[in-house]
Amino acid sequence: GNSVTQMEGPVTLSEEAFLTINCTYTATGYPSLFWYVQYPGEGLQLLLKATKADDKGSNKGFEATYRKETTSFHLEKGSVQVSDSAVYFCALSERAGGTSYGKLTFGQGTILTVHP
Amino acid sequence: DVKVTQSSRYLVKRTGEKVFLECVQDMDHENMFWYRQDPGLGLRLIYFSYDVKMKEKGDIPEGYSVSREKKERFSLILESASTNQTSMYLCAVHTKTYEQYFGPGTRLTVT
Repeated sequence: GNSVTQMEGPVTLSEEAFLTINCTYTATGYPSLFWYVQYPGEGLQLLLKATKADDKGSNKGFEATYRKETTSFHLEKGSVQVSDSAVYFCALSERAGGTSYGKLTFGQGTILTVHP
Repeated sequence: DVKVTQSSRYLVKRTGEKVFLECVQDMDHENMFWYRQDPGLGLRLIYFSYDVKMKEKGDIPEGYSVSREKKERFSLILESASTNQTSMYLCAVHTKTYEQYFGPGTRLTVT
């Protein structure tokens, strides 16, 4: 079956530090990959996505590259802000169609805290 | 973007009660999902629906059922609530661009 493994948290950084959150996956076929973010008290928001190998997703200064050879989709940001404090989830989805219907498989989430 | 709303942000119920959680989308996407979120476990799929009256079990369906009578509405039902169902429940809608949009969540406490 499909699975997603994220680096364990929590991660604590100072403002303007470099961020990496590791994510690796196991999947049959050719999944799409996602990063979701959950701010305190809210639901999940799509942060970025990549749908095929070597694609780079980017949004709000965050980036992740779909690496098929290493089955990875690591999240990076060059300079974090206090407002980036949240829980980050890596996820994969088989293509909708057939019997998958676009179901998401999530990692366990990584709590990020950024201090001023 | 599709907007997803859930009927309650916070809910407190007693053991043995029947609980209804509702999810509504403002478009007509076919695939809708119910997840529960627990610390350290991420999100786990309870049930999903791929059309009106069509449903399939997810990874943890025990103790839950669902209803989809109209395309825009997907309900999660706890037939007899138990304390181990205390959790955050999240509804999501899958779009044709392979993205899922989530509601704000319902934090359910069963006492």
